Amino acid sequence: GQQLNQSPQSMFIQEGEDVSMNCTSSSIFNTWLWYKQDPGEGPVLLIALYKAGELTSNGRLTAQFGITRKDSFLNISASIPSDVGIYFCAGQFGNQFYFGTGTSLTVIP
Amino acid sequence: NAGVTQTPKFQVLKTGQSMTLQCAQDMNHNSMYWYRQDPGMGLRLIYYSASEGTTDKGEVPNGYNVSRLNKREFSLRLESAAPSQTSVYFCASSPQGAHYGYTFGSGTRLTVV
Repeated sequence: GQQLNQSPQSMFIQEGEDVSMNCTSSSIFNTWLWYKQDPGEGPVLLIALYKAGELTSNGRLTAQFGITRKDSFLNISASIPSDVGIYFCAGQFGNQFYFGTGTSLTVIP
Repeated sequence: NAGVTQTPKFQVLKTGQSMTLQCAQDMNHNSMYWYRQDPGMGLRLIYYSASEGTTDKGEVPNGYNVSRLNKREFSLRLESAAPSQTSVYFCASSPQGAHYGYTFGSGTRLTVV
């Protein structure tokens, strides 16, 4: 399967700080998705990106589809305690999505 | 709105036992998927059903079978469970194909001893 490298693996930040994470691949993807997973729950879709260079926001979240189509970035501004969870990127290759290994975010009040 | 419902939520099996994980969606989605999630490995696709009446292998299909019972239901069967199948299993659905992303269920945590 396709390999997606997601970094960082984990982050510990103070409430109010901004967060950046990214996902890279050796393959070109047609679509990038960003999901958040809370403990004991399934992933929930945050943002979908469909074109190279696309920049999309969802509240305090902003994601970008890299120009090379091999990477994507997610930024969270002014973090709050409920941002805690695991964030996954997913890239579409053919008719399947491949998932990154996740970034675990801890927000310290 | 129930979305995607998975049963059971937890299960412990002995090696060699069989079981079926159930999944149902009420969003009239055409496509359904089974993923497994292991620590440090992300989510990996086991099988998917692009539409009612079709099923295809994903990245890690060995040791599993699936049935798309109707448009709503997509089950995953372990015929002879092995410790390597200890994982959290997620069912997901999408309107048509994968392009618009999935709606996930809350998962089944399976332990094989």
